[in-house]
Amino acid sequence: GEDVEQSLFLSVREGDSSVINCTYTDSSSTYLYWYKQEPGAGLQLLTYIFSNMDMKQDQRLTVLLNKKDKHLSLRIADTQTGDSAIYFCAVRGYTGRRALTFGSGTRLQVQP
Amino acid sequence: EADIYQTPRYLVIGTGKKITLECSQTMGHDKMYWYQQDPGMELHLIHYSYGVNSTEKGDLSSESTVSRIRTEHFPLTLESARPSHTSQYLCASGETPDRGALTNEKLFFGSGTQLSVL
Repeated sequence: GEDVEQSLFLSVREGDSSVINCTYTDSSSTYLYWYKQEPGAGLQLLTYIFSNMDMKQDQRLTVLLNKKDKHLSLRIADTQTGDSAIYFCAVRGYTGRRALTFGSGTRLQVQP
Repeated sequence: EADIYQTPRYLVIGTGKKITLECSQTMGHDKMYWYQQDPGMELHLIHYSYGVNSTEKGDLSSESTVSRIRTEHFPLTLESARPSHTSQYLCASGETPDRGALTNEKLFFGSGTQLSVL
């Protein structure tokens, strides 16, 4: 089955850029997602990228995909205290019948 | 704004009790999911449904059961709760935003139910 791995914790200063990394194992993954979970809340979709793309930018968010290395990253520019949350990487395989496979989440702490 | 609701938000019960966690969505989505999430851990899929009267077990073995009698409602039941069931339970429904890309699915999550079994 699919394995998705993320580092557990990242701490940055307000105004800096944050880069959250994710690796996955299934080379047939079609869509890759980033979800954000704030304390006491469910997950919220931030952005996604299709596997034939290398990069996708959406305002302060930039997603980079290295399909050869099976590496996905999320860059948050000008990180704000409101960005403090847990960020989950999730991937979907080609068959699409099953639900997403999630990583364990990276806790982003933004210091003022 | 997602229209998916879970009740209760928090539940503390004793061992052996039967409980039902409620999940409802008003978006008309056919696909619905239950995930289990322990602190600092990834989400584990325990049940999913692709429509009314369709339910399947997920990747993580669970002693819970689900039903899907109506599109909008996907309750999860534990017949006899145990301390090992203590966890956060997240419900989600799925939308396929791109007609030509059936594997692209946007999930909407509820706020979760934090279950503690004493």
